[in-house]
Amino acid sequence: GENVEQHPSTLSVQEGDSAVIKCTYSDSASNYFPWYKQELGKRPQLIIDIRSNVGEKKDQRIAVTLNKTAKHFSLHITETQPEDSAVYFCAASNPDYKLSFGAGTTVTVRA
Amino acid sequence: KAGVTQTPRYLIKTRGQQVTLSCSPISGHRSVSWYQQTPGQGLQFLFEYFSETQRNKGNFPGRFSGRQFSNSRSEMNVSTLELGDSALYLCASSRDYSYEQYFGPGTRLTVT
Repeated sequence: GENVEQHPSTLSVQEGDSAVIKCTYSDSASNYFPWYKQELGKRPQLIIDIRSNVGEKKDQRIAVTLNKTAKHFSLHITETQPEDSAVYFCAASNPDYKLSFGAGTTVTVRA
Repeated sequence: KAGVTQTPRYLIKTRGQQVTLSCSPISGHRSVSWYQQTPGQGLQFLFEYFSETQRNKGNFPGRFSGRQFSNSRSEMNVSTLELGDSALYLCASSRDYSYEQYFGPGTRLTVT
């Protein structure tokens, strides 16, 4: 089955700096790669996603890149703000809609 | 549209008992997936139901089961509870042929 690895497990950045989270996946058939943000005590929220036929996608301060050859994808958050502090999960879906998640990255933005 | 709802929100059970959790998807969504979330383990996929049929299954023991009703509401059941089953159980729904999943608030299960 699919195996998604996510690094780092924790990330502390100064407010205004950038944060980068990296994930790798094992199943070459995976074709959809979402990122979820989970604030303390709340449900995971989809923040951005990318499909296998696209290399990069951007939405305001967040962007995701995908390298299908290397089977890795990354989340980039620019100009970090305190409200960006949360746990971020990457995931990969196979064509049968089965979603496999990484272990999560706890991001702390220092004021 | 109302979001995904889950009941109950909190549950305390004793080892050996069984438990049933409920999930109501967003109106019009026919796919419901279940996940177990524990500290440090991320979200572990349990199973997915689409149109009353189990379409995908994770690597959990047979004590974990589920079903889906004709109105797309789904239940998951855990029998013979173990201490290690203590976790946040999340369900997520999605539209037909869509990969985007929307999560409910979860049910916090504590097994003592």
